[in-house]
Amino acid sequence: GAVVSQHPSRVICKSGTSVKIECRSLDFQATTMFWYRQFPKQSLMLMATSNEGSKATYEQGVEKDKFLINHASLTLSTLTVTSAHPEDSSFYICSAALSREQYFGPGTRLTVL
Amino acid sequence: GIQVEQSPPDLILQEGANSTLRCNFSDSVNNLQWFHQNPWGQLINLFYIPSGTKQNGRLSATTVATERYSLLYISSSQTTDSGVYFCAGTSGNTPLVFGKGTRLSVIA
Repeated sequence: GAVVSQHPSRVICKSGTSVKIECRSLDFQATTMFWYRQFPKQSLMLMATSNEGSKATYEQGVEKDKFLINHASLTLSTLTVTSAHPEDSSFYICSAALSREQYFGPGTRLTVL
Repeated sequence: GIQVEQSPPDLILQEGANSTLRCNFSDSVNNLQWFHQNPWGQLINLFYIPSGTKQNGRLSATTVATERYSLLYISSSQTTDSGVYFCAGTSGNTPLVFGKGTRLSVIA
């Protein structure tokens, strides 16, 4: 139980395009999901907290107009990187909360050319 | 917010050896988790352990909440144990705060 999926696992896009990443809780409902970013050989950095049916809460320094988050159902949250630039290239990981534990998706590696 | 420190930052073990990883918190936590990030980036839940001791096979963990630290024990290490081990904690309903991780390499 407690499986979280992400799609796509890997994406390469041109600078200026937008990319949507999906995060799904497969066998449980999650009112709260989280989006993290991880640079090579570094820890996870929380970007935002996604709450079903309400606006996401963004961490300081994260541009909400650039990283659009939609949590439309209890099993799906999406992160859209708008007008992507090479500096947005990173490993993006989502997690979903089940009771007090967080379960993580396998991550999405974004490369912006 | 809470600060999380992990030690050691890097660890190299011979297969079969035992190790102890440590996690210190700057403040009290009511949620503490240990994760293993495999070479493909997937974070695997090891323990949810805000206090007490738990064991799962060759792994065990102990959290002393009053002293704000947690320990992860790996016994009889195997090459498949290689990767990065993260602890993360939070108090109240705030999101998990991650440490910088311990990068473990187990060599045959």
